[in-house]
Order: sequence, then structure tokens, then C-alpha cells
Amino acid sequence: GAVVSQHPSRVICKSGTSVKIECRSLDFQATTMFWYRQFPKKSLMLMATSNEGSKATYEQGVEKDKFLINHASLTLSTLTVTSAHPEDSSFYICSAKVEGDTQYFGPGTRLTVL
Amino acid sequence: AQSVAQPEDQVNVAEGNPLTVKCTYSVSGNPYLFWYVQYPNRGLQFLLKYITGDNLVKGSYGFEAEFNKSQTSFHLKKPSALVSDSALYFCAVIHQAGTALIFGKGTTLSVSS
Repeated sequence: GAVVSQHPSRVICKSGTSVKIECRSLDFQATTMFWYRQFPKKSLMLMATSNEGSKATYEQGVEKDKFLINHASLTLSTLTVTSAHPEDSSFYICSAKVEGDTQYFGPGTRLTVL
Repeated sequence: AQSVAQPEDQVNVAEGNPLTVKCTYSVSGNPYLFWYVQYPNRGLQFLLKYITGDNLVKGSYGFEAEFNKSQTSFHLKKPSALVSDSALYFCAVIHQAGTALIFGKGTTLSVSS
């Protein structure tokens, strides 16, 4: 199947700093990528839909100025958590959609804000 | 509203026994149905999907799922469970092509040796 990578896999930062998470489709091009947030033992919550070359579409309740998404190429989408706070600590997962609507997921990024 | 229900938080089976992880959905139109598996601190791995055609779909690692339109169900099955199948399983649906997945809450499968 298609491979999606995420970097970093784990990040610890101080409150008030910004963190950038990269999501790459390694062996295919993805015009659409998705960003999810997952709390412990909980389902995935869709944060936003990222379309190459256009602005991301955010789900209700997700602050677009806090969670900046850029999809500058067909293989890369980035999520920047700005002015991170402890409540932003979570597991962030990206996915890339291929033809047929199957989504392939990255391995996730564990963000801990101190 | 579109939704997916996984009625069991946890399913326990003994190795070698058949397993079933249940999923029902509520969407308008013809759904695209998916199963994903997640191991601890990892992303989701695609197992199988149903879009159209044969109601019995075979996927990775010996898993299969049966689409039942009248019962709006898409249960995941495997004839003989392995300890290594122990993980968190998510059912998901797309109600319209190009839209995001709607996930169930997940079911933890525990296979004992």
C-alpha cells in the first residue's frame, strides 16, 4: 500500500512555542490530506482537510489561526501548532487520500507541551 | 447526521478462535466503508474497504468484512485469531466521494494465547 510518513514522531516543547509537523506521501501524490487529533483510547477527530494549492478547510471548533496548515506540494502537508499550550498535547495523525477514497495514514506525532 | 457505531469497547477471544468486531453505520446514500487497525503509538493501517460489488470483502492479514445493507452493518471477521491481532480497530465511513472519513469510537481486540 501507499506510504505516508510524519516527522517528528515525538516532540516535547515549552508552553508558548510553535511546533511544525510534516506529513509526506512517499510513493504517490496526494491532492488531499487530512489532519486528525487523537486522545488516549479515543477515536480520531478530524481537524482539517488540506488541499494542495488552496486553503485548508477546518472543522467546527478548530482554530485555524492556532493550527496552521500548509499543503504546498502534492507530497507534503504541514501542521504548525502555534503558541502551544499543555491542552494541545495529543497524538496528531495525518492521512493522504488516493483514488478510490482510501486514506493512508502516517505513523503519528506525539506532542507534549510542558 | 452521518455516524458509525462500534457497540463493543473491547472484544476478547482465544487464539485460534474466530473473531468478529461489529460495526453499524448511518449515512445517506451509498456508503464507502473501511476498516483500519491501530497498534499502540502508531498510525492507522488500512485493512479493507467496501465501495460496491461483492458484499464480502477480503483484506489484509486474513481479515474480511461483510456489507449488509438491510442491517446497515459492516462487521469485521477473521476465522482464526492470532495474538498479534491484538490492537485497536476502527470502522469508518465516507458518505460521499472526496469527503473525510467518519470514524467509529474503536474496539480493542484482545487475543489470548
